[in-house]
Amino acid sequence: GQNIDQPTEMTATEGAIVQINCTYQTSGFNGLFWYQQHAGEAPTFLSYNVLDGLEEKGRFSSFLSRSKGYSYLLLKELQMKDSASYLCAVMDSNYQLIWGAGTKLIIKP
Amino acid sequence: SQTIHQWPATLVQPVGSPLSLECTVEGTSNPNLYWYRQAAGRGLQLLFYSVGIGQISSEVPQNLSASRPQDRQFILSSKKLLLSDSGFYLCAWRRPDMEYNEQFFGPGTRLTVL
Repeated sequence: GQNIDQPTEMTATEGAIVQINCTYQTSGFNGLFWYQQHAGEAPTFLSYNVLDGLEEKGRFSSFLSRSKGYSYLLLKELQMKDSASYLCAVMDSNYQLIWGAGTKLIIKP
Repeated sequence: SQTIHQWPATLVQPVGSPLSLECTVEGTSNPNLYWYRQAAGRGLQLLFYSVGIGQISSEVPQNLSASRPQDRQFILSSKKLLLSDSGFYLCAWRRPDMEYNEQFFGPGTRLTVL
C-alpha cells in the first residue's frame, strides 16, 4: 500500500529552527511537495523536490533522499505566523498526489 | 493571474438531503481539476479528478458524484448525504502541460451533516 508518515504535532520557539520529517512508501515517485495549511484555510504550496538534495526558498528549505524515502522541511527564524499544519505529499506513478495527515506546528513566544 | 472560487464557504445539511458544491477557475484553459475531502486532523483524500469537459475519474466509491459541464467548472454532488460526508471539501486545479506542476487550492467548503 501507499503510506506517508509525518509527526502529528511539533512545538518550537519563535526565532528558532524546526525540522519536520516525512517518510513515504508509494507506488512510483514523481516528486514530493510540501504545503502549508493554516487552520480553516486551504493548503498553499511551499516547495517541490524531485531530485536528491536541498532546495532553499528564503526561510524555508526542503530536503529529499529518494533512496531512503525521506524528506524534511526546515523552517528558520520562526515567526508566530508560521503556526500552521505542514502537509507532505508524494506524486505517484499515475501523477496523483498521495497526502500525509500533516504536522501541526505550534510556535511559542 | 489565475483564481479559483468555491461556494458555499460553509454548509449545514440534514442527513438524506442532496448536495451541490461548485468550483470555478479563472485565467487558465483546460486545467486539470480535483475534488478532495479533508476530515478533521486527517490528510487530503482525493475524491474525483478531471482532465477535460465531461471526463471524470473517481478514486473512492461512495455516494458522491462529480461533473464537469464546462472547461473551468467542476461540481460535486450527492443525492442523499450521510453523516460520514461531513468534512472540508477542497477543489484544486493544475496546469496540464507539465506533470510536476503544483496544485492550487480553492478556499474550501466546510460541510456539516447533522
